[in-house]
Amino acid sequence: QVQLVQSGAEVKKPGASVRISCTASGFTFRKYEMHWVRQAPGQRLEWMGWINAGYGNTKYSQKFQDRVTITRDTSASTAYMDLSSLRSEDTAVYYCARRADWGLYYFDYWGQGTLVTVPS
Amino acid sequence: QSVLTQPPSVSAAPGQKVTISCSGTSTNIENNYVSWYQQVPGTAPKLLIYDDNQRPSGIPDRFSGSKSGTSATLAITGLQTGDEADYYCGSWDSSLSVVFGGGTKLTVL
Repeated sequence: QVQLVQSGAEVKKPGASVRISCTASGFTFRKYEMHWVRQAPGQRLEWMGWINAGYGNTKYSQKFQDRVTITRDTSASTAYMDLSSLRSEDTAVYYCARRADWGLYYFDYWGQGTLVTVPS
Repeated sequence: QSVLTQPPSVSAAPGQKVTISCSGTSTNIENNYVSWYQQVPGTAPKLLIYDDNQRPSGIPDRFSGSKSGTSATLAITGLQTGDEADYYCGSWDSSLSVVFGGGTKLTVL
């Protein structure tokens, strides 16, 4: 069965960077597009960007363009999201999600979420 | 980057029907499919509706979606207490980005 398993919770100081991993199983990783979505406490879902796991090309939200980098390791079936220059407003749960397929426009599987805390 | 507009909350009694609206623009909803996600607090979102009105396997037909122009609607009939959750609409945008609604908290009275 399809699973997306994310790395554990992180506590980071302001100005630091964080890397979150999302390890896929149960499907051919390189055939899909992996997205990252975050949710601050009590707030809405906020899309951050995606990576085509096969080609490696990316697209980022304008809001995070300067601070986010999404990469992947196809040999490990893992996507990574790096966020730099962290501030207290980046405290959120970060999710990876799989786009259902090329030409389909929805997320069919989500990771369990990773809480990143940046104390003010 | 635009976001989609949803009512912050809706409520209805068990057994009743509720609708949740999602308003967007010509760059997202009008020209792209809408999906809906159910999120129980503390858990990851779960796909509820895709391609405007399609249900994944396992989603009961009490949940339905529709779209007209720049707006989409999620309808839930026969409300159950287990339906209490936050509901989000989502759509791709013409810039190949993704936009979500602000979320709607459903309370079953």
